[in-house]
Amino acid sequence: NAGVTQTPKFQVLKTGQSMTLQCAQDMNHNSMYWYRQDPGMGLRLIYYSASEGTTDKGEVPNGYNVSRLNKREFSLRLESAAPSQTSVYFCASIRFEGNYGYTFGSGTRLTVV
Amino acid sequence: TQLLEQSPQFLSIQEGENLTVYCNSSSVFSSLQWYRQEPGEGPVLLVTVVTGGEVKKLKRLTFQFGDARKDSSLHITAAQTGDTGLYLCAGGGETSYDKVIFGPGTSLSVIP
Repeated sequence: NAGVTQTPKFQVLKTGQSMTLQCAQDMNHNSMYWYRQDPGMGLRLIYYSASEGTTDKGEVPNGYNVSRLNKREFSLRLESAAPSQTSVYFCASIRFEGNYGYTFGSGTRLTVV
Repeated sequence: TQLLEQSPQFLSIQEGENLTVYCNSSSVFSSLQWYRQEPGEGPVLLVTVVTGGEVKKLKRLTFQFGDARKDSSLHITAAQTGDTGLYLCAGGGETSYDKVIFGPGTSLSVIP
């Protein structure tokens, strides 16, 4: 099925460990985004890639890095995980031309202990 | 800084009742989207409104964009248990380089 695929779905890390969250879309969308969702805080933008080859910081980029590997794939890396990064992470994409809404993945639930 | 507020934060109603949830801002948005999110899943786009005063209907759901493009409402007629979820509004994103702002959401529980 066409859409946004995120892996893994669940992950537990120890403080200081690193990991990469993977995201791929097969809708030929130009722009891709990483959000985190925390209770009472809503969805907050971490990084985004408006087009292949570009990335920009969002509202809460500290502690994260991203790579737009190609038009389909956009990964999020935590170099040294901290408990404050415990959250649910969503990847999203959007075509933009004539389409204003995001397509979201099903999320990665990350716990840092 | 653009902010979106949603009210109420929580809503619990009986099946068959009507309800309205609100999305408000002091900023003007070029477009506004409504999403529904079920537990363990990502948000799913319901509708996008782009013109001040615009009204869109999706079965029992009616969406309205305020004339000044600063607020929006979602009205559900004869709620069903399948309407249970978190309703998020989001605004902005005039171009691919603009950031879309999300509201904190309204958590709706429809009781049989």
